[in-house]
Amino acid sequence: GAGVSQSPSNKVTEKGKDVELRCDPISGHTALYWYRQSLGQGLEFLIYFQGNSAPDKSGLPSDRFSAERTGGSVSTLTIQRTQQEDSAVYLCASSLAGGPVEQYFGPGTRLTVT
Amino acid sequence: AQSVTQPDIHITVSEGASLELRCNYSYGATPYLFWYVQSPGQGLQLLLKYFSGDTLVQGIKGFEAEFKRSQSSFNLRKPSVHWSDAAEYFCAVVTTSGTYKYIFGTGTRLKVLA
Repeated sequence: GAGVSQSPSNKVTEKGKDVELRCDPISGHTALYWYRQSLGQGLEFLIYFQGNSAPDKSGLPSDRFSAERTGGSVSTLTIQRTQQEDSAVYLCASSLAGGPVEQYFGPGTRLTVT
Repeated sequence: AQSVTQPDIHITVSEGASLELRCNYSYGATPYLFWYVQSPGQGLQLLLKYFSGDTLVQGIKGFEAEFKRSQSSFNLRKPSVHWSDAAEYFCAVVTTSGTYKYIFGTGTRLKVLA
């Protein structure tokens, strides 16, 4: 079956613009995670959705970042008023359930803020 | 606070040589531990995981890892490296207080010499 997909694969934007990054998880996966991967920084947790529960937003670095998950499936990560330090690869992962189970990662969206 | 340390940013080995990638974690309770691999241009893929039981776990692609509670370590090993193993390797711990959250190390980039 299809894996986790993300779009766009690359995004170049000007400082101050808003961007939306999309994640399509594996069908039937109830848990969805967003991470940010910066050079030399590993994966930084951003936000976690599990079923109909309130999302864990504890990793969002500022109020310019927000995410939603519609219908328990597709998720959108929005970054408002982008800054150069937002440049990174944004990864989405889904898993069959919440908890310590295997996460399936998408290929990521490379965001470059000029 | 929970953390994962991968002390080696880069490692270079010759093809056919043995490999050990180090991972140390800080977590009060029994950890759930994972190793993921990120090959160039690909998403992260699970190599192996440890939940409980036998402290030596086998994974895909001939990898294994040993959990040592006394050393808070979960080192990844392979007896004979292949050129296709060149990639970045991430160790992760899943916290179970509140929501399930993955904490990743900063990664170790493996280069394989022919």
